[in-house]
Amino acid sequence: KAGVTQTPRYLIKTRGQQVTLSCSPISGHRSVSWYQQTPGQGLQFLFEYFSETQRNKGNFPGRFSGRQFSNSRSEMNVSTLELGDSALYLCASSLGTLEDTQYFGPGTRLTVL
Amino acid sequence: SQQGEEDPQALSIQEGENATMNCSYKTSINNLQWYRQNSGRGLVHLILIRSNEREKHSGRLRVTLDTSKKSSSLLITASRAADTASYFCATDGDSWGKLQFGAGTQVVVTP
Repeated sequence: KAGVTQTPRYLIKTRGQQVTLSCSPISGHRSVSWYQQTPGQGLQFLFEYFSETQRNKGNFPGRFSGRQFSNSRSEMNVSTLELGDSALYLCASSLGTLEDTQYFGPGTRLTVL
Repeated sequence: SQQGEEDPQALSIQEGENATMNCSYKTSINNLQWYRQNSGRGLVHLILIRSNEREKHSGRLRVTLDTSKKSSSLLITASRAADTASYFCATDGDSWGKLQFGAGTQVVVTP
């Protein structure tokens, strides 16, 4: 089975712009979770989608949003970018029950200038 | 916020030696998982241990879990240069799709 894929792998934006990141889960997985990783805050949970519905959300401002499509692919969007949004954004897919293993993609490295 | 702490923060060993790292967490869990990350890349799943298990093995990896102490340890035996990476423990809870990660242990294995 192909693993989790994320596009693009690298992105450079300027403050105030918006960005959309994409994640394709492992075939058959219906849950996609998103995480932000920074040197200062470590790995932090953004949100989780299952069957096109957001089931859980972390403590991030409303500038961070996401969605999931009927084929389980997911996108996350960050509007009005700030310098502090520079991070590695990771998505993970799973079958969607509480006890599943999450499998991570390679991440998208976002740099905000 | 981080679920817990990992100890040590960094570890430097030679090939062939064993590496042990510990993870503590704060709330009750269903499972605890260990992941490896090479140089800012994606996380690779290593092993999952359920809350009713005390020890689990996978190849050169041995994981223990003590739910009474809310702690886990990961042992890598006969380490190789390719084991150089950051290792994270992650816990779940009664929260959909949310893993809480520790700060990680950075392991350097020198030939």
